[in-house]
Amino acid sequence: AQSVTQLDSHVSVSEGTPVLLRCNYSSSYSPSLFWYVQHPNKGLQLLLKYTSAATLVKGINGFEAEFKKSETSFHLTKPSAHMSDAAEYFCVVSGLNSGYSTLTFGKGTMLLVSP
Amino acid sequence: DTGVSQDPRHKITKRGQNVTFRCDPISEHNRLYWYRQTLGQGPEFLTYFQNEAQLEKSRLLSDRFSAERPKGSFSTLEIQRTEQGDSAMYLCASSLAQGYGYTFGSGTRLTVV
Repeated sequence: AQSVTQLDSHVSVSEGTPVLLRCNYSSSYSPSLFWYVQHPNKGLQLLLKYTSAATLVKGINGFEAEFKKSETSFHLTKPSAHMSDAAEYFCVVSGLNSGYSTLTFGKGTMLLVSP
Repeated sequence: DTGVSQDPRHKITKRGQNVTFRCDPISEHNRLYWYRQTLGQGPEFLTYFQNEAQLEKSRLLSDRFSAERPKGSFSTLEIQRTEQGDSAMYLCASSLAQGYGYTFGSGTRLTVV
């Protein structure tokens, strides 16, 4: 079975400071990993995805994530937070045991950005 | 075609009533997915279609739930005899094929009173 653990339910940062959202995964085989963002009353938007190419993945809006197989982690980072980054972020895994057909979401991390 | 459309955006219903939601995927996308998201949780997989064929159903999809995609285009999700526990955001997504990214709709928020 595949699963995802987002280690923080809430993260608070000040505008202009770095962002770190932590994610650990469990998957029987080589997983595909994603980060999605959900703004209030809007659909889920794909930030970035890892599919066994480069371990450092760059996404939209200055976000990036590093796949670390030895640590089974896929943490999301951004050098400098912007007010518009305030949203809920989901770490997501898709694996061979689901035929890479379905996504398993973490419980989400709410990012709060203060001026 | 600007994305995945879901209708209605909000639905309030009395316990025991039937409800039906509609999803219009991106036109060239073969795969269509339904997920459910409850408060404080990430979305959970319900079912998916490739064209008109329903290929997988989650254990979350009880007998009261049924989904269709009759012509391989739009899909409907029906819940019969709604219960308060069915209150959630129902999300639809589509993708071009396996391995391609999903595009999610904005969801239908169901409240059962």
